[in-house]
Amino acid sequence: SQKIEQNSEALNIQEGKTATLTCNYTNYSPAYLQWYRQDPGRGPVFLLLIRENEKEKRKERLKVTFDTTLKQSLFHITASQPADSATYLCALISSSARQLTFGSGTQLTVLP
Amino acid sequence: GAGVSQTPSNKVTEKGKYVELRCDPISGHTALYWYRQSLGQGPEFLIYFQGTGAADDSGLPNDRFFAVRPEGSVSTLKIQRTERGDSAVYLCASSTGLAGGGETQYFGPGTRLLVL
Repeated sequence: SQKIEQNSEALNIQEGKTATLTCNYTNYSPAYLQWYRQDPGRGPVFLLLIRENEKEKRKERLKVTFDTTLKQSLFHITASQPADSATYLCALISSSARQLTFGSGTQLTVLP
Repeated sequence: GAGVSQTPSNKVTEKGKYVELRCDPISGHTALYWYRQSLGQGPEFLIYFQGTGAADDSGLPNDRFFAVRPEGSVSTLKIQRTERGDSAVYLCASSTGLAGGGETQYFGPGTRLLVL
């Protein structure tokens, strides 16, 4: 069955450092991979999309990589700030469907 | 402009009761999705509408769950004979429906359902 794993439930880092979150998947061939941010009591908010034929995508302090051979995506936040503290979700989309298949998320805490 | 709105924000009901959850998508968005999120988990797909029709309802867990979107805008998720295991946050999302795939989905704040 399809499985999406995100690294450790919680990640604590010091302000100013780079946070790296991982998303591994099995039994899936996604055409797209998205990363969302979710704050407590709120719905997920879209951050970045990367296609299967793309290796890397950047947006301001965010960077996403996508390795379809390793079946892994890495999500980086550089120069992290306490305001970046949230749960980050990766989501896969196949070429034949529109719905998102989410991982369980990683809770990031950036310590001042 | 207004984002996706969901009502009620919280719903407490008793086991066996019927509930309706409402979603107002972003104006002009033809695609609408329902997801369910349990504590500590990512959202889980339930159903997807393109316009008025359910294009994919493969995520509905059983026949107690039903959703409609009669005019291609507002959608209602209906749960009959609620069970304690239905307790979760029900999220609605919408997208333009114009892109081939991978398009951004805009989520509402969710309805927190608690079945006692």
